[in-house]
Amino acid sequence: KQEVTQIPAALSVPEGENLVLNCSFTDSAIYNLQWFRQDPGKGLTSLLLIQSSQREQTSGRLNASLDKSSGRSTLYIAASQPGDSATYLCAVNGNQFYFGTGTSLTVIP
Amino acid sequence: EAGVVQSPRYKIIEKKQPVAFWCNPISGHNTLYWYLQNLGQGPELLIRYENEEAVDDSQLPKDRFSAERLKGVDSTLKIQPAELGDSAVYLCASSLGGADTGELFFGEGSRLTVL
Repeated sequence: KQEVTQIPAALSVPEGENLVLNCSFTDSAIYNLQWFRQDPGKGLTSLLLIQSSQREQTSGRLNASLDKSSGRSTLYIAASQPGDSATYLCAVNGNQFYFGTGTSLTVIP
Repeated sequence: EAGVVQSPRYKIIEKKQPVAFWCNPISGHNTLYWYLQNLGQGPELLIRYENEEAVDDSQLPKDRFSAERLKGVDSTLKIQPAELGDSAVYLCASSLGGADTGELFFGEGSRLTVL
């Protein structure tokens, strides 16, 4: 079974800082990897989808990378804002989507 | 374009009572998923449909949980009877295409509290 780990579990940064969230997985036989954000009491909002043949995807201030051979993905957030405060989850898709437990991000004004 | 719609958003019931959750996926999405999310955890798959066929229900506790997706569009997840441990958020998601290609889109979830 695919194991997905996200480190750190929680992160607090001052506004304007650039930051990196990490996701590691144990089985490199994947179709794609997806990053989500989840606000309290809400569903998951898709941020970026990286196919297994891709190395990175960008959307605005977000950049996600994928190194399938080492079982790692990172989500880079540039110039963080208080509105970025949320829990960020990665999901690895092999025969099904396996989710990490998320990184809870707080951006302090 | 409307997103994934779920109802009810919140449900409080006593143990041993039945409960049902409804999901309408994004128009045209042939793959539909039901996930369970406990507090502080990532979602865990309960069942996946491709059109009206349940292609992965290996993690659905079939003694008390059931699901259907008639006509390959909206879906219902039922629990009967509910137990205290079923308190969680039930999330529905959909994707265009099969499990190997599709980007997942989630609804707001249905939060169940069993007393």
